[in-house]
This record gives sequence, structure tokens and C-alpha cells, in this order.
Amino acid sequence: AQTVTQSQPEMSVQEAETVTLSCTYDTSESDYYLFWYKQPPSRQMILVIRQEAYKQQNATENRFSVNFQKAAKSFSLKISDSQLGDAAMYFCATFGNEKLTFGTGTRLTIIP
Amino acid sequence: GAVVSQHPSWVICKSGTSVKIECRSLDFQATTMFWYRQFPKQSLMLMATSNEGSKATYEQGVEKDKFLINHASLTLSTLTVTSAHPEDSSFYICSARRGLAGGAKNIQYFGAGTRLSVL
Repeated sequence: AQTVTQSQPEMSVQEAETVTLSCTYDTSESDYYLFWYKQPPSRQMILVIRQEAYKQQNATENRFSVNFQKAAKSFSLKISDSQLGDAAMYFCATFGNEKLTFGTGTRLTIIP
Repeated sequence: GAVVSQHPSWVICKSGTSVKIECRSLDFQATTMFWYRQFPKQSLMLMATSNEGSKATYEQGVEKDKFLINHASLTLSTLTVTSAHPEDSSFYICSARRGLAGGAKNIQYFGAGTRLSVL
């Protein structure tokens, strides 16, 4: 079984600043993957970044990076130089046993 | 690449009627497609997993006779909500996974979702 916990229902950040979204997970799988998805007001789910659990190096995608702490089962997302287009719901997810399990999401607001 | 099209984006129907939602992978072959349901301000809940040419696997608590899933080709899966009732009103999202090896196969690409309103 897998569980994903996002303890921050809402976050806000000033434009151009940096924000970190938290995520913890639990899984019985030995081989699993972690994802951050973004859901803007259009409700289209967009893949932001992914991390293979067997890799120690933290994944980065342009302004987005993760802090993956496997022993602590923590997978936080850092957004640098926040932009207005980053405003969305962000879902952390773990893939294991052939299915994605999502957290409850964090609504990110960008303050101009 | 990796575009998933979902149609319709919004459907309104009368109670007791059936509604079909289509999910197509436009530029890749999807060996596996997934159907999710999302209530307002909540997360995505997996309803079922469908593999091309075989019966769908439903999650616990999901009525297979209510939510019929067909995955007849590598690019098309359909979800039919049968005898819809107001409590079936929700946002339904499909996703598709490529038939690739390694970590890339675990990436799911999502459709834009379908809002179902049952009167």
C-alpha cells in the first residue's frame, strides 16, 4: 500500500522568490518512482518533475528541483524564481505496484 | 509529443441516461490507460486501470457495472457511466502510459478531463 501526505493545503510566494512544497510518502515497494504534477485552473494535469527512488541525485528541471530524502521518505519540491504561471494545485505522487497514488495537493498562489 | 485527448470536456445529462467519455493518445501507443475521478478541491482517485485488449481492473469500491471501461485499441479507451445519477456528477480524468521499458514507462500523460453534470 502507498500513502502520500502533503501537509500544506495552501502556500503563497512573492513573484521571483523561492518556495518549497512538502511531501512525505510511505510505500512497501522497493522499486518506486516519485512525481510532482501541476494542475492549473484549466485542470490539465502537467508533469513537473520525476525522481527514480534508486537514484540518490536530486532531479532538476529548469526552475524546479526536488529534495529527495529516501530514509525520511520525504520528497519536497522547490520552485525558484516563481512566476505568475506557476500558480496552480501541486500534487505529489508515488508510482508503485503499477499505480499512481496522489497526495491531497497544495494550492500555490503567486503574489505579484 | 505525448498528447492525450479527452472528449467531451463537459457533458450535461439527465438522470438515468448513459454517458460515454473518450480518451485518446494522439502521438503514441498506450498499452495502459487509467481513469480517475476528482471531486471539487480534492485529489485524484484511481477508478480503474485498463490494458489494451483485456478487461479493466477496478479499484475497491468502484462499481464495474456502473462505470464500463473499454480499451479496444492502443490509442483509445472509453469510460461509459451507465444510468447516471446526480451523485455521479464529478470531474473524470484519463491518463495514458507508453509501452516503454525502464523508468519512462511509469510516466503518465493526462487528458484535460471531463466535467459530468447529471441533472
